[in-house]
Amino acid sequence: GAVVSQHPSRVICKSGTSVKIECRSLDFQATTMFWYRQFPKQSLMLMATSNEGSKATYEQGVEKDKFLINHASLTLSTLTVTSAHPEDSSFYICSALDRTNPDTNGYTFGSGTRLTVV
Amino acid sequence: AQKVTQAQTEISVVEKEDVTLDCVYETRDTTYYLFWYKQPPSGELVFLIRRNSFDEQNEISGRYSWNFQKSTSSFNFTITASQVVDSAVYFCALSEAYESNDYKLSFGAGTTVTVRA
Repeated sequence: GAVVSQHPSRVICKSGTSVKIECRSLDFQATTMFWYRQFPKQSLMLMATSNEGSKATYEQGVEKDKFLINHASLTLSTLTVTSAHPEDSSFYICSALDRTNPDTNGYTFGSGTRLTVV
Repeated sequence: AQKVTQAQTEISVVEKEDVTLDCVYETRDTTYYLFWYKQPPSGELVFLIRRNSFDEQNEISGRYSWNFQKSTSSFNFTITASQVVDSAVYFCALSEAYESNDYKLSFGAGTTVTVRA
């Protein structure tokens, strides 16, 4: 079945630095990528949607200059948390969708990245 | 407005008991998909089921079963003879894929299931 590899699984960074999270679809073309953030004991909140080759569409309240999303190829999307602060500490999960074949592949989730900013 | 409502925040049962998780959704689309995911403590989302709006047949997979009722906009999930390994957070989700054309997945708040030995 469809597989999405998300890396790193855990990262600790210092306040003020930037962190890049990668999400790769291994055996299908991810025409659309979704990035979610999940705080402890809460649900997944959609941050942004990115279509390959286009700029990401951010949800209300999500700072696009802080959370940079790049979806330059059909198999790779990256989320960069710039100038990270402790309040950015969270669990980030990506999800890939093949819009040309939504019925077959559905939504495939990465395993998540636990970011801790100290 | 919340599109997916999981009214039960936490459920605690003793092993071998059955547990039913409620999910009520809201949409104006006639074509949509409903999902259930399991999130164990490790954090990874485990896909359990996808059901499209035109398929109202109930489904059984091992100890899991799902009851889809369009008339009440509900898509409930039952775990029969629960086991300790079933302890996790369970999310119901809705995709209003085709008519809205944005393919966003809306998640419910989740229900934490704790199965005690």
